[in-house]
Amino acid sequence: NAGVTQTPKFQVLKTGQSMTLQCAQDMNHNSMYWYRQDPGMGLRLIYYSASEGTTDKGEVPNGYNVSRLNKREFSLRLESAAPSQTSVYFCASDHSANTGELFFGEGSRLTVL
Amino acid sequence: RKEVEQDPGPFNVPEGATVAFNCTYSNSASQSFFWYRQDCRKEPKLLMSVYSSGNEDGRFTAQLNRASQYISLLIRDSKLSDSATYLCVVNMRNYGQNFVFGPGTRLSVLP
Repeated sequence: NAGVTQTPKFQVLKTGQSMTLQCAQDMNHNSMYWYRQDPGMGLRLIYYSASEGTTDKGEVPNGYNVSRLNKREFSLRLESAAPSQTSVYFCASDHSANTGELFFGEGSRLTVL
Repeated sequence: RKEVEQDPGPFNVPEGATVAFNCTYSNSASQSFFWYRQDCRKEPKLLMSVYSSGNEDGRFTAQLNRASQYISLLIRDSKLSDSATYLCVVNMRNYGQNFVFGPGTRLSVLP
């Protein structure tokens, strides 16, 4: 089973460039999330989508946009990358019943020079 | 003050040792609690939920003290494969968007 699939796994950008991180889940989950993980800090929520057609800001949304394309897919876009956005990005999804189990993708390592 | 705090470690222990991790959270309204495990350069995965009465899953025991806003994870008879970072996670309102992750405690089990 694929679970949550993220692409790309690695990316190097120059300051000011744009890119989109793609995420897809095959578990029929309603909710999907984008987190970033930085050394010494917990995962921080960037944006989430509680259901198809809805998106909301998390703790650190500045500099990012998202699209919930359909139930399976949730993309994260950096319009003008900055060095402060160098991080590891994780997409996740969970059941609406919220058992506490978030299912994560393998992560995307982004470096902005 | 951070919402969820953990000792970053690393904890270096020999195989077979018992090791305990602590976690404190600042918001008394927190409703549910979890331990996740994250292997090096991998994604986090749920290890276990933490229930008010305490709970055990094999060699792992989780405890919650709501009065002190404190969560613990005890690992008995440590294995090499237990080497990972352990993330304390607190959920405010039982919705996924309200998960708050601690920075994690790194464990290295040595042969």
